[in-house]
Amino acid sequence: DSGVTQTPKHLITATGQRVTLRCSPRSGDLSVYWYQQSLDQGLQFLIQYYNGEERAKGNILERFSAQQFPDLHSELNLSSLELGDSALYFCASSVNSGSIEQYFGPGTRLTVT
Amino acid sequence: QKEVEQDPGPLSVPEGAIVSLNCTYSNSAFQYFMWYRQYSRKGPELLMYTYSSGNKEDGRFTAQVDKSSKYISLFIRDSQPSDSATYLCAMSGVGGSNYKLTFGKGTLLTVNP
Repeated sequence: DSGVTQTPKHLITATGQRVTLRCSPRSGDLSVYWYQQSLDQGLQFLIQYYNGEERAKGNILERFSAQQFPDLHSELNLSSLELGDSALYFCASSVNSGSIEQYFGPGTRLTVT
Repeated sequence: QKEVEQDPGPLSVPEGAIVSLNCTYSNSAFQYFMWYRQYSRKGPELLMYTYSSGNKEDGRFTAQVDKSSKYISLFIRDSQPSDSATYLCAMSGVGGSNYKLTFGKGTLLTVNP
């Protein structure tokens, strides 16, 4: 158990809908990262927050957004969902912004029908 | 050309075998090289990381980095059935947003008892 928690574990929704994924980092970690894992693209970095501020962006679609709250939990919002958004979404956390030691949560499996 | 290439396998070996897993990369800015292990339906778990070139050993695991060839390897000695998982290489640069991780697609390893 990495200490990172993610909810929900599974999510099934229809195209065009909006969902919110939630992540709580390990105790003491200030940085949160979001990743998307699919069979064809592998594990891809989406976005990073550090102590409430956006720090780095990867291949995140404009339909997706994230934020980190004062209690350091983070939410990833996915809107206008398409079939191709079906994937595993992982949250990871680290102590600080420049740490390459990232600890991953168990993931949220999103299925868009 | 993808920044990080990894043979997806699958790789099947008998218990006790030496396993060699490899990745190549194209981005010369990468300075940190990591290996993650991902069990089925779980989040990736950091096994070990290396900074720049050289070798690093941790128990039955040895990581090697050859920056001149842009080639990294993970060796597993005396492989066990519990080593059966997908192994992901990951890389990052240093400074600012360069700490974001770029992953290979992973190699599925099965160790048969």
